[in-house]
Amino acid sequence: SQQGEEDPQALSIQEGENATMNCSYKTSINNLQWYRQNSGRGLVHLILIRSNEREKHSGRLRVTLDTSKKSSSLLITASRAADTASYFCATGRSGGSYIPTFGRGTSLIVHP
Amino acid sequence: NAGVTQTPKFRVLKTGQSMTLLCAQDMNHEYMYWYRQDPGMGLRLIHYSVGEGTTAKGEVPDGYNVSRLKKQNFLLGLESAAPSQTSVYFCASSYTGQGLAQYFGPGTRLTVL
Repeated sequence: SQQGEEDPQALSIQEGENATMNCSYKTSINNLQWYRQNSGRGLVHLILIRSNEREKHSGRLRVTLDTSKKSSSLLITASRAADTASYFCATGRSGGSYIPTFGRGTSLIVHP
Repeated sequence: NAGVTQTPKFRVLKTGQSMTLLCAQDMNHEYMYWYRQDPGMGLRLIHYSVGEGTTAKGEVPDGYNVSRLKKQNFLLGLESAAPSQTSVYFCASSYTGQGLAQYFGPGTRLTVL
C-alpha cells in the first residue's frame, strides 16, 4: 500500500497562475519530501519538510505540513510552462530506517 | 560526477528470458533503491539496500532479485521475465535512510513480450 496520496490526480492551469497540490498520508512521519518528474525522466528532489516544521519555502515553492491532519500541500507560485511535470510526495515512517513511500503523483500542465 | 546511471536504457525481452539491470552511483551513498513505475500506479519499491552486502524486500519484490556486492552498484535481476514486469524501472540512492533526498537515475524502459 502507498503511504502518501496526492490530490488532484491532474491539474491544468495557465502560465502565471498558482498551482496547489496536496498529499495525504496515514501514519506518523519523520518528514515529507516533494519530487518533480518531467516526462520520461527520473525524479528530482524539490524540498523536504520535517515533522516539526509547518511551512517551508524554496524559490517559487511553498510547502506546508499539518501533522494533525496528516497532510501536506505544495504551492507553485507564478507557474511557468517549464513547471509542467508530475509531482510526487514521499513519506517515511517514524522510527527506524527511512524508506520513502511515494504516492501516485499529480500531473500538472501549465499552458503558455 | 555522473550521479546515478542505469544500464540499459531500453530493453525488449521475451517471456521467460532473464536479464540484469545495472545501477551505479558515484556519490558514495549508503542506501540504494529499485522502483518500478507503471501508469496510474506511481512508484513502487521493489528492493532496497542499506549498505554494501545488504539487501531487503520492498513492496513488490516477487519475480526480482538484487545484489549489492560493491557500494557503488546495485543490480536488479529478472530470472524469468513475465509480461507483468513490463514497466519503467528507476534506481535511486541516498546518503542514509534518514529522510535525505534521493537521487534518481534516468530509468530503464523494459518491455516483456
